[in-house]
Amino acid sequence: EAQVTQNPRYLITVTGKKLTVTCSQNMNHEYMSWYRQDPGLGLRQIYYSMNVEVTDKGDVPEGYKVSRKEKRNFPLILESPSPNQTSLYFCASSDSGKGYEQYFGPGTRLTVT
Amino acid sequence: QKEVEQNSGPLSVPEGAIASLNCTYSDRVSQSFFWYRQYSGKSPELIMSIYSNGDKEDGRFTAQLNKASQYVSLLIRDSQPSDSATYLCAVNGDHFNKFYFGSGTKLNVKP
Repeated sequence: EAQVTQNPRYLITVTGKKLTVTCSQNMNHEYMSWYRQDPGLGLRQIYYSMNVEVTDKGDVPEGYKVSRKEKRNFPLILESPSPNQTSLYFCASSDSGKGYEQYFGPGTRLTVT
Repeated sequence: QKEVEQNSGPLSVPEGAIASLNCTYSDRVSQSFFWYRQYSGKSPELIMSIYSNGDKEDGRFTAQLNKASQYVSLLIRDSQPSDSATYLCAVNGDHFNKFYFGSGTKLNVKP
């Protein structure tokens, strides 16, 4: 089954404790992105990747890091989480052959206390 | 600052009616336009993509694009209660994989 997976689905952590949210896709897509979704603000792109080792900043990259060492994986790293990073996070993948239509993972709800 | 504007709603329509959802965008370089549906607590799922001016139909859904007016819309014919969800408009930015989303329009279809 073609899918984007994220782990964990739910995470409660404390300020300053480094964490990683994993994302994996099995569709051999070139492009992957991370978004956060906050009430009233919609989806905002954090980082995107065009291929292995090629990443660029989205609209709200501050406080986040990403890496793309393998085509299928695109982890999101919060090195020192703060309460304002409490949000719902989505990973997505897309392919130029399909008009960059994005397929989203199930989401990770992060709470930073 | 790139902007994608949608009426937050809720938009209420009776079952069987046509629902009309609208979106305006600020960046004239945008070339790709998408509508996603998001049920409460779920991830967005793609409904339609449109890249050229005019209409594109897929089943009960029609996307309309007018680049001169920087306007994209989604029509849902024969609306069903299962269409009740938030509809997100997305456009690409100065890179084909850089996307901007509207905050979404909540649609309620009443039986």
